[in-house]
Amino acid sequence: NAGVTQTPKFRILKIGQSMTLQCTQDMNHNYMYWYRQDPGMGLKLIYYSVGAGITDKGEVPNGYNVSRSTTEDFPLRLELAAPSQTSVYFCASSYHAAALGNTIYFGEGSWLTVV
Amino acid sequence: GDSVTQMEGPVTLSEEACLTINCTYTATGYPSLFWYVQYPGEGLQLLLKATKADDKGSNKGFEATYRKETTSFHLEKGSVQVSDSAVYFCALSLYSGGSNYKLTFGKGTLLTVNP
Repeated sequence: NAGVTQTPKFRILKIGQSMTLQCTQDMNHNYMYWYRQDPGMGLKLIYYSVGAGITDKGEVPNGYNVSRSTTEDFPLRLELAAPSQTSVYFCASSYHAAALGNTIYFGEGSWLTVV
Repeated sequence: GDSVTQMEGPVTLSEEACLTINCTYTATGYPSLFWYVQYPGEGLQLLLKATKADDKGSNKGFEATYRKETTSFHLEKGSVQVSDSAVYFCALSLYSGGSNYKLTFGKGTLLTVNP
């Protein structure tokens, strides 16, 4: 059971570099999400998607971009990395909206450090 | 705006002690409520949920009751084990029409259970 798979698990970036966090799910879920988790804080929603070809901003979208060309994949792009983007990033998915009581399934997280 | 407030940790208990982690919320509608658990080095996992007032969610010996009158969803367990050591997140989800939804997390409570 693969579930939600995100890569890489760990990455160190230099200020100004760019990178893409990959996320794929094999549960045929419509909804996909990217969250960041800062130490001692809850999760903040970066972007989400309700289906292929549709994306929307969450609470903290600045400095990030996403695309959803297929149901399975939802990559997160960091352009011009900044130290403030040092965080743990979680990709997640759900079949229907979490607001309707549907379970969200999380990946194992990607630890990103910008130096 | 919508928000979740949960008791600050860390919480340290001895094995077989009783656990209560308080969670209260503010919301403009009728949210679904969740408890998620994050074990060290892992992503979040759904622990239990409740989608309407007076519902009780339960799983692995944990319980929480959706109390609309007190806007609360406190997590309880009668006898904790070392394996329950983790960070616990209270969350609410609210549907606001169209494809708009929002999942809001509390800051998390670190629980450490000693043998």
